[in-house]
Amino acid sequence: GQQLNQSPQSMFIQEGEDVSMNCTSSSIFNTWLWYKQDPGEGPVLLIALYKAGELTSNGRLTAQFGITRKDSFLNISASIPSDVGIYFCAGRRSNFGNEKLTFGTGTRLTIIP
Amino acid sequence: DTAVSQTPKYLVTQMGNDKSIKCEQNLGHDTMYWYKQDSKKFLKIMFSYNNKELIINETVPNRFSPKSPDKAHLNLHINSLELGDSAVYFCASSQLPGSLSNEQFFGPGTRLTVL
Repeated sequence: GQQLNQSPQSMFIQEGEDVSMNCTSSSIFNTWLWYKQDPGEGPVLLIALYKAGELTSNGRLTAQFGITRKDSFLNISASIPSDVGIYFCAGRRSNFGNEKLTFGTGTRLTIIP
Repeated sequence: DTAVSQTPKYLVTQMGNDKSIKCEQNLGHDTMYWYKQDSKKFLKIMFSYNNKELIINETVPNRFSPKSPDKAHLNLHINSLELGDSAVYFCASSQLPGSLSNEQFFGPGTRLTVL
């Protein structure tokens, strides 16, 4: 089945740094979602994007829906220890809430003390 | 608390056994899902039910059988467990149409280990 490619696969940063990650697809998606997964927990929804070009923020997190509808980006500003975890993008062909999500390969964020 | 809950959290069993995982959501959502997360953390949809009706059935061995007694519950029964079934299984729920509060919310996961 299709996977979305996330980059980078892992990041090692210092507290206070800004973080950027992206997600690319070979086909068009009309909804992009960003989730974060902590160890031993389920993914938690961070941001949802429904229109090409849309830029949405959630606190220190900002995500963008790429104009081509084949990519999305997530930025985290001034990282803090609780930002550690795995970030997943997910795409859906429609804007309908109950259609299949295709998940990305994940970006693992680690903060170096 | 409004949430998606799963039981058990951990399940360790022998190859060949039959086991079930239960999922309940109190978010009032119409659609529920089962995902499998492998050791590389890749999340893949297995099944989806909308109002007790199967709407997504990915290529999954027929040893896996979902059952939805009502729209708030979606259970997963697995027959003749194999070593390759070891993974974390996540339940999720969502609602139409797409908006942040209606998107897929995930349960805490069930870690299945087949020995």
